[in-house]
Amino acid sequence: GAVVSQHPSWVICKSGTSVKIECRSLDFQATTMFWYRQFPKQSLMLMATSNEGSKATYEQGVEKDKFLINHASLTLSTLTVTSAHPEDSSFYICSARPGQSPHEQYFGPGTRLTVT
Amino acid sequence: TQLLEQSPQFLSIQEGENLTVYCNSSSVFSSLQWYRQEPGEGPVLLVTVVTGGEVKKLKRLTFQFGDARKDSSLHITAAQPGDTGLYLCAGLSGNNRLAFGKGNQVVVIP
Repeated sequence: GAVVSQHPSWVICKSGTSVKIECRSLDFQATTMFWYRQFPKQSLMLMATSNEGSKATYEQGVEKDKFLINHASLTLSTLTVTSAHPEDSSFYICSARPGQSPHEQYFGPGTRLTVT
Repeated sequence: TQLLEQSPQFLSIQEGENLTVYCNSSSVFSSLQWYRQEPGEGPVLLVTVVTGGEVKKLKRLTFQFGDARKDSSLHITAAQPGDTGLYLCAGLSGNNRLAFGKGNQVVVIP
């Protein structure tokens, strides 16, 4: 149980294009999902918190117009990187929190984005 | 500001040896999670500790939460090559967000 999937697992795009990454909770409902990015040999940095049916809450320094987050259902959240640039290349990881317990959080396998 | 400091950052040991890694903070957390992450993959939850002083065991892994809920340790007994990985600790703060440490990279040599 508590499986989170991400699609695609890796993507290469040209500078200036947009990329959408999907995050799904496969066997539970997630009222809250999170999006992180991780640079090589660095820790996970929280980008935004996504609540089903409401606007995402972005961390300081994260551009909401560049990283569009949609949490349309209890099992799906999407992150769209708009007008991608090479500096957006990173490992993007989502996580989902089942139910109301704040103590549990399960992570997806990550999406490697490379912008050329 | 790095809320959670993990030490040592890198540890290499021989198969069969024991090891302990640490996660320390000046902040109090309502709970603390340990994850293991393989290269190119997402973190996998190992354990959640909630009560100060709590000890949890997962086969050869022993996790302890400090009495003051500011720190934690992970002890591996008789390490095996399959234990190789990046161990991340993450503390749940009052705003229900997880703050991650940079990780303990453990390498177990056969």
